[in-house]
Amino acid sequence: GENVGLHLPTLSVQEGDNSIINCAYSNSASDYFIWYKQESGKGPQFIIDIRSNMDKRQGQRVTVLLNKTVKHLSLQIAATQPGDSAVYFCAENCIGSNYKLTFGKGTLLTVNP
Amino acid sequence: EAQVTQNPRYLITVTGKKLTVTCSQNMNHEYMSWYRQDPGLGLRQIYYSMNVEVTDKGDVPEGYKVSRKEKRNFPLILESPSPNQTSLYFCASSYAPGHNEQYFGPGTRLTVT
Repeated sequence: GENVGLHLPTLSVQEGDNSIINCAYSNSASDYFIWYKQESGKGPQFIIDIRSNMDKRQGQRVTVLLNKTVKHLSLQIAATQPGDSAVYFCAENCIGSNYKLTFGKGTLLTVNP
Repeated sequence: EAQVTQNPRYLITVTGKKLTVTCSQNMNHEYMSWYRQDPGLGLRQIYYSMNVEVTDKGDVPEGYKVSRKEKRNFPLILESPSPNQTSLYFCASSYAPGHNEQYFGPGTRLTVT
């Protein structure tokens, strides 16, 4: 949405390159980790999720990696396109926590043509 | 088309003047939630509802009320808005509580002067 990108970590890539967006999480009891994409002026949109007992999951042009040892989550986007420019949020879902998704602060990805 | 709608999209009001932001989903989802998004703070949950007549507080409920009289609607009420409630608000829904894929509305930009 408007001005959501302020104060955020930013990543700038060239069109066609691969992008890696990182996220550190805090709750080792989370059951799922999720990535959302928010384009300017729109609401967040679900991209992909990964269960806590997995370390990798692939989708269409995206791969999520989970490293529970260091509490780190990453989203890899292959062959980044201008339409990938957005703010990307990681989120945690702890089923025992009243089904609440806890969102990270986000990373602004800019794709240069 | 499956969607979450919010109204109004933009609202400028004065301190103390009661307002309601409506939210409606046409996907027969059980779970609905309200978030506010502020620069540098990410998405924070205000209230959520796991089904009709079942609502509960999120992380930042002070100054807000909600109701869930029908499955499709989840209005957000600000009884006496204050300037610190100036924010971008999103309504979201999901098939069931705990479901990772939440569908977000387009957002409501609220300014309280």
